[in-house]
Amino acid sequence: NAGVTQTPKFQVLKTGQSMTLQCAQDMNHNSMYWYRQDPGMGLRLIYYSASEGTTDKGEVPNGYNVSRLNKREFSLRLESAAPSQTSVYFCASSVLDTQYFGPGTRLTVL
Amino acid sequence: DQQVKQNSPSLSVQEGRISILNCDYTNSMFDYFLWYKKYPAEGPTFLISISSIKDKNEDGRFTVFLNKSAKHLSLHIVPSQPGDSAVYFCAATVSLTSGTYKYIFGTGTRLKVLA
Repeated sequence: NAGVTQTPKFQVLKTGQSMTLQCAQDMNHNSMYWYRQDPGMGLRLIYYSASEGTTDKGEVPNGYNVSRLNKREFSLRLESAAPSQTSVYFCASSVLDTQYFGPGTRLTVL
Repeated sequence: DQQVKQNSPSLSVQEGRISILNCDYTNSMFDYFLWYKKYPAEGPTFLISISSIKDKNEDGRFTVFLNKSAKHLSLHIVPSQPGDSAVYFCAATVSLTSGTYKYIFGTGTRLKVLA
């Protein structure tokens, strides 16, 4: 039982490049989330998915797209990376009131 | 508009003493309040939660207190241990019509327990 897994762990992009962050959970949770963490800002919600086939915007969705491929997987795509998207990205899944987080992806955009 | 606030960015406590981490909120409609612990280079891990209809929840060394009239939440760790040194986030949940919860996080408090 791996919980929530994220790939890659680290990534460096140039401005304008695109990439997809992958997330998978093996806990059979319906809800999944993507957050970014920046110094002094806490965790800010980018997008979430209440169930397979549905996605909704969070606080900071601009510049991102998501896909809920199936119940297990929820990916985050940066179509044209910008330096302001340099951050640590966390994926999470939840059951009832409790969220479980992945280990994070540290992304640097030059 | 920060709905969940942790006004102390850092806290140092001697090993064996009590650590008290504080959190204030503005929205009376929050359903649950949670505390997460985060070590460097790892994801946050769930620590303890409390329903908005309760005023205390205890789990081993960790106790969360909720003061609804003051819109204030606190986490007590007794006794504090060096392994408790981490960043602590408080969070609050809002029920969504889709049947899931939205989580609002504070900015975190870095706890350092001194041996």
